[in-house]
This record gives sequence, structure tokens and C-alpha cells, in this order.
Amino acid sequence: DTGVSQDPRHKITKRGQNVTFRCDPISEHNRLYWYRQTLGQGPEFLTYFQNEAQLEKSRLLSDRFSAERPKGSFSTLEIQRTEQGDSAMYLCASSLERFSGRDTQYFGPGTRLTVL
Amino acid sequence: QQPVQSPQAVILREGEDAVINCSSSKALYSVHWYRQKHGEAPVFLMILLKGGEQKGHDKISASFNEKKQQSSLYLTASQLSYSGTYFCGTVGSGGSNYKLTFGKGTLLTVNP
Repeated sequence: DTGVSQDPRHKITKRGQNVTFRCDPISEHNRLYWYRQTLGQGPEFLTYFQNEAQLEKSRLLSDRFSAERPKGSFSTLEIQRTEQGDSAMYLCASSLERFSGRDTQYFGPGTRLTVL
Repeated sequence: QQPVQSPQAVILREGEDAVINCSSSKALYSVHWYRQKHGEAPVFLMILLKGGEQKGHDKISASFNEKKQQSSLYLTASQLSYSGTYFCGTVGSGGSNYKLTFGKGTLLTVNP
């Protein structure tokens, strides 16, 4: 399978714990995105990487959230001191830069986080 | 701003047609359509670029009216496999050229 993969698929944690999610993009894709999706809503943009550089962070991403993409390959999203409001599906997407606004973003299956 | 999708939900019998609309209050560069089944990743359907183009994919097609900042997704002769939530994602003109802003989705149910 050469699509976007995410790990773990499900994570249940207690409030206050730290969690880390991993995303492996399609191998030749240089752009990587993180989105968050809650029930009944469309995905909301969190952050964007071009190669290893994090070029934009949404205001949704509080100081407790950090994302990395070392060497421009896989990416990790860490949430520190989780809160119940962090419960959501965290989606990763990747694309190959072609022309502005024309990139097709391919989504991974997501990590469903439940904070108790 | 988040694009507005309508209707919120639609129920069809197999073989019927449906139209899903996506409207934005800001100038758009492109509109991206996805379908998401419960518990699965959004699956890309098509991109429409400013210029008023219309695209098709099997029995699913879409149009983009740049002047009205509206896009419509047309599903003809619906199949059971079309069931899912359809999202439009928009890329605005003049802003970031990569960030998709999604609508709340349209839940499509196709019954036998």
C-alpha cells in the first residue's frame, strides 16, 4: 500500500497525559498537512510542512501542540497535557507540489483520540 | 471563512440523481471535492480551478462558477457505493495556496 499511513489508529488517554501520533506520507510528496475533525464537521487545518519546514500553524494549535517533520519524511504530532476538548480524529494528508492551489491532498485513515 | 454546503443531508433511491452545492463568501482559486465514509479517510474526487471549468469522473461531475464563488457536485444514476459524506474544500485567492477550508459536509444516503 503506497498511500498515507497513520499510527496509531486509535488512542485512548487520560486527561493530562501526553500523546504522539505519526504520519507517513506518500513517498515522493513534499507537502504534509495535519487536520483535525470532530463529529459532524469537516476537517480543520492545523499545520503545514513543505519538506522539513513548518510553514504555517493554525490558531487552533495551542502551545500544547507541536509538530515535526524531520528530514522531510514522516511527521509527528504531539499533544501535551491532553484535555477532553482534544478528543477528535487527527488526519494527515500529503501532496506533491505542482501549481499553486492545484495540489491534490491525499488523506490518511486518521488517528482517533479519546481523552477521558 | 468556512464554505457553506447544502443540503445538509439527502436520501436517494439507487438510480436517482443528486446535486450538492458549495458556496463561499470569499474569492476562490480552487474547489476540491472529497467523499468520506464513516470511520474512513476522505477520498479525493476532483479539483476545479477558477475559470469556470466543469469536470467529470464516471457518473460524478462538478462545476465551478468563479463569479458566484459556487461549486456544485452532480451525482447521476446513484449507486449504493455513493453513500457517504461529501465535503468541499476551498483554496482562496490571494492567500495560502495549499490550505483547504472545508464545509461541514453533506450526508448522502443511497438506498436500494
